[in-house]
Amino acid sequence: DIVMTQSPDSLAASLGERATINCKSSQTVLFTSNNKNYLAWYQQKPGQPPKLLIYWASTRESGVPDRFSGSGSGTDFTLTISSLQAEDVAVYYCQQYCTLPFTFGPGTRVDIK
Amino acid sequence: EVQLLESGGGLVQPGGSLRLSCAASGFTFSNYAMSWVRQAPGRGLEWVSVISDNAAYTYYADSVKGRFTISRDNSRNTVSLQMNSLRAEDTAVYYCAKGSSDSRYSASDYWGQGTLVTASS
Repeated sequence: DIVMTQSPDSLAASLGERATINCKSSQTVLFTSNNKNYLAWYQQKPGQPPKLLIYWASTRESGVPDRFSGSGSGTDFTLTISSLQAEDVAVYYCQQYCTLPFTFGPGTRVDIK
Repeated sequence: EVQLLESGGGLVQPGGSLRLSCAASGFTFSNYAMSWVRQAPGRGLEWVSVISDNAAYTYYADSVKGRFTISRDNSRNTVSLQMNSLRAEDTAVYYCAKGSSDSRYSASDYWGQGTLVTASS
């Protein structure tokens, strides 16, 4: 199985600051035949189901604010929140959907300092 | 508007069975793969199972393989998860999730609110 790791476990940043979350997979999630990275990012707020933010590593889901961006390829990926807002307080998960069983990272908790 | 409504959760003794259902609406159900993902209390997300759009293909996490069975009824827009031989470690909120394409290799773009399963004596 592909093991997903995330860093840091948690972070706190001031309103308007940049927040960066890293995700690493134990094997590549880049499918060479279509040059796509099978990597998604989800946001989960307390008491709510996860919400899809980013897929194909860098494609923003419809309706997601453009302060959220994804980057990376192969085994190393990053989710960046360019200007942290109060409503961004949540746990963020990466997930690979390249190889079954699909696997999630352990999550990164984001708070306001 | 896409809606996914899970039902069937509850308290069951270890070794018992439960059947979860997810009623879908707001999209052409038969065109999309569907998944189940669970979350133990205070823990992270764990992928459980996926079924392809036409039910030809299913896959399970090792932790549930041989005990859980995923199925779908495209005429009724429902996906189900039959859970047998339940263990304490199966206690979790179970989410139904829609694939973002007809491929089983897709992210999940819509999620239900979840249904709580508690396996305890």
